[in-house]
Amino acid sequence: SQELEQSPQSLIVQEGKNLTINCTSSKTLYGLYWYKQKYGEGLIFLMMLQKGGEEKSHEKITAKLDEKKQQSSLHITASQPSHAGIYLCGADNQGGSEKLVFGKGTKLTVNP
Amino acid sequence: GAVVSQHPSWVICKSGTSVKIECRSLDFQATTMFWYRQFPKQSLMLMATSNEGSKATYEQGVEKDKFLINHASLTLSTLTVTSAHPEDSSFYICSANPGDTQYFGPGTRLTVL
Repeated sequence: SQELEQSPQSLIVQEGKNLTINCTSSKTLYGLYWYKQKYGEGLIFLMMLQKGGEEKSHEKITAKLDEKKQQSSLHITASQPSHAGIYLCGADNQGGSEKLVFGKGTKLTVNP
Repeated sequence: GAVVSQHPSWVICKSGTSVKIECRSLDFQATTMFWYRQFPKQSLMLMATSNEGSKATYEQGVEKDKFLINHASLTLSTLTVTSAHPEDSSFYICSANPGDTQYFGPGTRLTVL
């Protein structure tokens, strides 16, 4: 079965700093999703990547899917306290199945 | 984005009782919905796929008689935790796809005493 490994597990940064979160898959990714979750709450959809080499941006968050489609990175520029939360990557490992496998998440803390 | 709601947002029950959790797609129809479970500091684990008009399909290791799923309409799926025990205490989240991506509900925290 597919496994997703996220790194780092947790991250503490000063407001205004840039940061990167990585998600590595044990198998080829057919679709890679990034979500943000606050503890005890639902998931907020950030971005979905499907094509190798694809890069998407939304406000100060950029996500990339590498050419080999086995790793994705999420980059936040000039972080703010509102970016704090748990970032989860999820993968569609069957190509259109809609079933997602998730990584364990990266807990981000942004200190003002 | 599409909205998926869940009810209740939290529930506390006694061991041995059954608890029903609802998942609704508010602005789209969903023939398929997904139920996930999340334990503290763990990631989401897919429990089952809820199919409108037919039986749910369960992931390996998930007891179908324990977690009853009913997808009665194109906008509603229910998960019933039967004879709940403390080890069933968890955060249950559903998701549905209106056509572009999976959207998740706000989750239901179940605590079994």
